[in-house]
Amino acid sequence: DGGITQSPKYLFRKEGQNVTLSCEQNLNHDAMYWYRQDPGQGLRLIYYSQIVNDFQKGDIAEGYSVSREKKESFPLTVTSAQKNPTAFYLCASSMDRVDGYTFGSGTRLTVV
Amino acid sequence: AQSVAQPEDQVNVAEGNPLTVKCTYSVSGNPYLFWYVQYPNRGLQFLLKYITGDNLVKGSYGFEAEFNKSQTSFHLKKPSALVSDSALYFCAVRDRDGGYNKLIFGAGTRLAVHP
Repeated sequence: DGGITQSPKYLFRKEGQNVTLSCEQNLNHDAMYWYRQDPGQGLRLIYYSQIVNDFQKGDIAEGYSVSREKKESFPLTVTSAQKNPTAFYLCASSMDRVDGYTFGSGTRLTVV
Repeated sequence: AQSVAQPEDQVNVAEGNPLTVKCTYSVSGNPYLFWYVQYPNRGLQFLLKYITGDNLVKGSYGFEAEFNKSQTSFHLKKPSALVSDSALYFCAVRDRDGGYNKLIFGAGTRLAVHP
């Protein structure tokens, strides 16, 4: 079945550590996105990529980094510069400008 | 910049009654509007979208939405609510920024359907 896979489902990070969240899709979608979800704040865009080797900062990119070396993969690194990383992270992909998104099932990151 | 607003944090409905979840938008140009649903600890699932054409859009699970240009609204509706419809609902609008496309989401509305 085609879809988006996010891993791990739960992730715990110690203060000062970098962690990487995986996002893989087999839908042959060109565009991929990372959102952060906090209670009562909806979804906020972190980074997005329309094609391989190109990505753009979203509204809350500080403390995060991404890469897009392959069409299928768009990993997100939460760096130690992100002061409040505890949140639910959602990856999505889309085919074109009128298409909706297909979402992964999310990764819940907790700082311990 | 494009934006959407969901004025209600929570909507409570009795099972079998009609439901409405409200969304208003602010865009320059023609709006591309979307509704998604989220169940606990899951990703968002696409319900329906308005790109052009009929103002009443039908989607998944018996949901529909009415596009109203004069009121800049895109309310989600269902004639008869089910307990299983209880979830978090998001309205979204497409933003085109410098040739790049992305969705801007509202804060979400929690729908609670009571037996």
